[in-house]
Amino acid sequence: AQSVSQHNHHVILSEAASLELGCNYSYGGTVNLFWYVQYPGQHLQLLLKYFSGDPLVKGIKGFEAEFIKSKFSFNLRKPSVQWSDTAEYFCAVNSGGYQKVTFGTGTKLQVIP
Amino acid sequence: GAVVSQHPSWVICKSGTSVKIECRSLDFQATTMFWYRQFPKQSLMLMATSNEGSKATYEQGVEKDKFLINHASLTLSTLTVTSAHPEDSSFYICSASKTRNTEAFFGQGTRLTVV
Repeated sequence: AQSVSQHNHHVILSEAASLELGCNYSYGGTVNLFWYVQYPGQHLQLLLKYFSGDPLVKGIKGFEAEFIKSKFSFNLRKPSVQWSDTAEYFCAVNSGGYQKVTFGTGTKLQVIP
Repeated sequence: GAVVSQHPSWVICKSGTSVKIECRSLDFQATTMFWYRQFPKQSLMLMATSNEGSKATYEQGVEKDKFLINHASLTLSTLTVTSAHPEDSSFYICSASKTRNTEAFFGQGTRLTVV
């Protein structure tokens, strides 16, 4: 069975600080990896995804994530956060095709102006 | 883009009644849709996989007789919470993918409150 763990449940940063949110997954086979964001009162939206190829993935709004297969990790980074990045971030994994997507517990990011 | 729409966005119902939630893919066809439940301060938990034209596949611990899923067309899946109780109060979210191996697009969710 696949599982996802996010280590940071609540992160508070000042604007312009750098961000790194940890995500580790457990699954022995080929996986697809995602980061979703949920802004207050809005849908889940895709930030970025990794299916294959370059393990450093760039997403929207200046976010990036690096897939490190040996560490089963897919950490999310942003060099300089903004107040508008305040949201909840979910790491997710599926094992390809229409297989179910398993979500991490989410990390609430609060950016202080 | 790919838009998934849920209706209603929120609903309040009396204990013992049934509630139907619709999930529509507005600009693409989805042979498979997924239903999730999100408890406060927790992550999304997959409840079931809705398959067009066939029975839904339920996750372990999810009562299929309580959460009825119908996927009658390539653009519509419905989740009916039967004989709702206060413990069924939650945030229900659906998702759909355009094709295999692409990301899922999520509906805006439905907040169900059972009183």
